[in-house]
Amino acid sequence: NAGVTQTPKFRVLKTGQSMTLLCAQDMNHEYMYWYRQDPGMGLRLIHYSVGEGTTAKGEVPDGYNVSRLKKQNFLLGLESAAPSQTSVYFCASKESAGIEKLFFGSGTQLSVL
Amino acid sequence: SQQGEEDPQALSIQEGENATMNCSYKTSINNLQWYRQNSGRGLVHLILIRSNEREKHSGRLRVTLDTSKKSSSLLITASRAADTASYFCATTPSGSARQLTFGSGTQLTVLP
Repeated sequence: NAGVTQTPKFRVLKTGQSMTLLCAQDMNHEYMYWYRQDPGMGLRLIHYSVGEGTTAKGEVPDGYNVSRLKKQNFLLGLESAAPSQTSVYFCASKESAGIEKLFFGSGTQLSVL
Repeated sequence: SQQGEEDPQALSIQEGENATMNCSYKTSINNLQWYRQNSGRGLVHLILIRSNEREKHSGRLRVTLDTSKKSSSLLITASRAADTASYFCATTPSGSARQLTFGSGTQLTVLP
């Protein structure tokens, strides 16, 4: 049971490049989340999904897009990367609306030069 | 904006001592959770306390919640070097369609 898996673990981009971060969970969870973590700021919610085919904006959605075509996968896209998007990105999932415990992936370190 | 704020930002203690971290939040909540993050890893859920609970225990962890003061504390008793990590509180605000909000964390260092 792998839990929540994120790929890639590290990535360096040049300003203006695009990329997609993949999150996969094997726990049949309904809810999935993308957070970014910056020094001294804790985790901030980018986008989330409450089920297959649904997405919603979080606290800091600008510059990012997401898709949840399959229940087990949640993709985070950067269409035109900016240095301000240098961060550590975490994917998380939870079972359902009534369950609050989140399960996290191990993170993606992204640097935008 | 962040709902929860931890205090202190950093804490260094000797192995065997107790560690206390505090979390303050701004709005009414349904529940509050504490998570641990080891360096370079994802967050791991430790404990959840609901708004109608005042205290909860799990092993060496004790969490208290004071909704009148909008604050919570996490106590780790008899600390070990392996407890070295960052600790975050996370709150679920009251009301529908509200998502979990994390604080900025307390970095705990337990010296052997």
